[in-house]
Amino acid sequence: EAGVTQSPTHLIKTRGQQVTLRCSPISGHTSVYWYQQALGLGLQFLLWYDEGEERNRGNFPPRFSGRQFPNYSSELNVNALELEDSALYLCASSFESGQAFSYEQYFGPGTRLTVT
Amino acid sequence: AQSVAQPEDQVNVAEGNPLTVKCTYSVSGNPYLFWYVQYPNRGLQFLLKYITGDNLVKGSYGFEAEFNKSQTSFHLKKPSALVSDSALYFCSGGGSQGNLIFGKGTKLSVKP
Repeated sequence: EAGVTQSPTHLIKTRGQQVTLRCSPISGHTSVYWYQQALGLGLQFLLWYDEGEERNRGNFPPRFSGRQFPNYSSELNVNALELEDSALYLCASSFESGQAFSYEQYFGPGTRLTVT
Repeated sequence: AQSVAQPEDQVNVAEGNPLTVKCTYSVSGNPYLFWYVQYPNRGLQFLLKYITGDNLVKGSYGFEAEFNKSQTSFHLKKPSALVSDSALYFCSGGGSQGNLIFGKGTKLSVKP
């Protein structure tokens, strides 16, 4: 069974640019989560999508957005990049999370974003 | 406010000795608690979870965790550490508000 996949593996962008990160969940999983793992800040919850809808978002500005497609894959978009957006962006998937995160999540390898 | 705390940035253990990685939580309602492990340059891997039921939860690779409601703790344990257990460990918790919170991680170093 294929795991969660993310693309690209690495990205280098300049401040002010826009970036799109992609994630494909495990087959059968309907929920997709995005996290930011910045050095020294641990893992910060960004967004949760389930059945194509945004269910919850973390404490991030609106320039962080995303969507989930009918095949449950997902995109994370970050506009107007800032230096502090440099981080590892992790995507995870799980079975439907109607009970608010009661299912374990399976993580992809991440996309390393560097903003210069 | 909901929170998950891992009070130790690093835990050092000799191979063969028992290990404990600490986690305390503050979430509303009945907590859902998880432990994940992250090896270098890899995503997180699920180890175990507590939803309801027995306070002692057994997980992958010989790890277990004890849920203690009175102390709001969910410490990760293993009776005999291996060098290959060296990694970054994350505790996470979710509650009825639909947020999932991760601790900042504890680096476990197991020396031969």
